[in-house]
Amino acid sequence: AQSVTQLGSHVSVSEGALVLLRCNYSSSVPPYLFWYVQYPNQGLQLLLKYTTGATLVKGINGFEAEFKKSETSFHLTKPSAHMSDAAEYFCAVRTTSGTYKYIFGTGTRLKVLA
Amino acid sequence: GAGVSQTPSNKVTEKGKYVELRCDPISGHTALYWYRQSLGQGPEFLIYFQGTGAADDSGLPNDRFFAVRPEGSVSTLKIQRTERGDSAVYLCASSPPGAGTNEQYFGPGTRLTVT
Repeated sequence: AQSVTQLGSHVSVSEGALVLLRCNYSSSVPPYLFWYVQYPNQGLQLLLKYTTGATLVKGINGFEAEFKKSETSFHLTKPSAHMSDAAEYFCAVRTTSGTYKYIFGTGTRLKVLA
Repeated sequence: GAGVSQTPSNKVTEKGKYVELRCDPISGHTALYWYRQSLGQGPEFLIYFQGTGAADDSGLPNDRFFAVRPEGSVSTLKIQRTERGDSAVYLCASSPPGAGTNEQYFGPGTRLTVT
């Protein structure tokens, strides 16, 4: 069975500082991996995804994530936080065969301090 | 173009009542997903449609929950004999056709409150 673990339900960073949100997954087969962002009172929006190929993927708003198979991780980073990055971030995994069912982590709320 | 829409945006109902939640996916999208998101949690998978058929309904918590998509477009999530524990935001997402479709587009959700 697949699962996703997001370490840290709340993360605070100063404006301009590095953002690092952690995601580890468990899957018996190579999965597809995703990061979604949810701004207050808005729907989930795809930030980036890893399917195949290059393990470092770039997404919108300056975010990127690296798929590390040996560590079963897909951590999300951004070099310099902006106030507008304050939101909830969800990591998700989907199998590459069978039914296309997505499993989401419990989320990390990012707070950006002025 | 138009995104995924969900109606109503808010629904308050009394314990024991029946509710229907509607999802209009993006035109042409063949896959449709329902999720439930409780406060402080990530979206929890309920059911996935490919066309008109439910490809995976393993996330439906019990037989009070049922979903249909009769024409392969609009979907309705139906909850019978609602309980206070059913209170949550119900999210719908759709994906375009193609092998290995892997991008979901989410609607704004329906906030269900059972009193």
